[in-house]
Amino acid sequence: DARVTQTPRHKVTEMGQEVTMRCQPILGHNTVFWYRQTMMQGLELLAYFRNRAPLDDSGMPKDRFSAEMPDATLATLKIQPSEPRDSAVYFCASGLAQQNGYTFGSGTRLTVV
Amino acid sequence: AQRVTQPEKLLSVFKGAPVELKCNYSYSGSPELFWYVQYSRQRLQLLLRHISRESIKGFTADLNKGETSFHLKKPFAQEEDSAMYYCALTGTGFQKLVFGTGTRLLVSP
Repeated sequence: DARVTQTPRHKVTEMGQEVTMRCQPILGHNTVFWYRQTMMQGLELLAYFRNRAPLDDSGMPKDRFSAEMPDATLATLKIQPSEPRDSAVYFCASGLAQQNGYTFGSGTRLTVV
Repeated sequence: AQRVTQPEKLLSVFKGAPVELKCNYSYSGSPELFWYVQYSRQRLQLLLRHISRESIKGFTADLNKGETSFHLKKPFAQEEDSAMYYCALTGTGFQKLVFGTGTRLLVSP
């Protein structure tokens, strides 16, 4: 079973530190999403890419968040500087055709103290 | 704007009872609808796609364009069905996947 791989699984960091989360999409998938999940807000779309090009990052706080796809096998989400309100589970998902749905990774659980 | 509404935050049933998790959507174009399931602290897993009209783990969902609904049903709930269920929408006119707020299903013995 092909999987979307996210690292790290857990991250605890101090406020003000830089955090980098990584995602390896399923080989051949051309669409990659970043979502944030919290109890209060549910699933929020932060950004997504098609063929490595950013299509929409309107859900992302631009002053501190950045998302990139340096190559087709790696997507990154960075937070600098991190704040306690960024504590959440960050999910990456990838897919090829819309009607087939998208496959999610296991998420990175971020805690900013 | 595209929107998915799941009116129930929590649905609690006894084992063997029928289950219906409601989902309504707002989109003027041709929708693609999905149900995802998330077991405790795990990844979201694709459960159903409306386009395939399949039955997975006894669950079915039918797209009703007239009522703009895509309710998830199961005739006899099992304890292992306890999880969060998310309805999601995408469409030919937009690329992103929009989620509802989710419904927690709790199946008691």
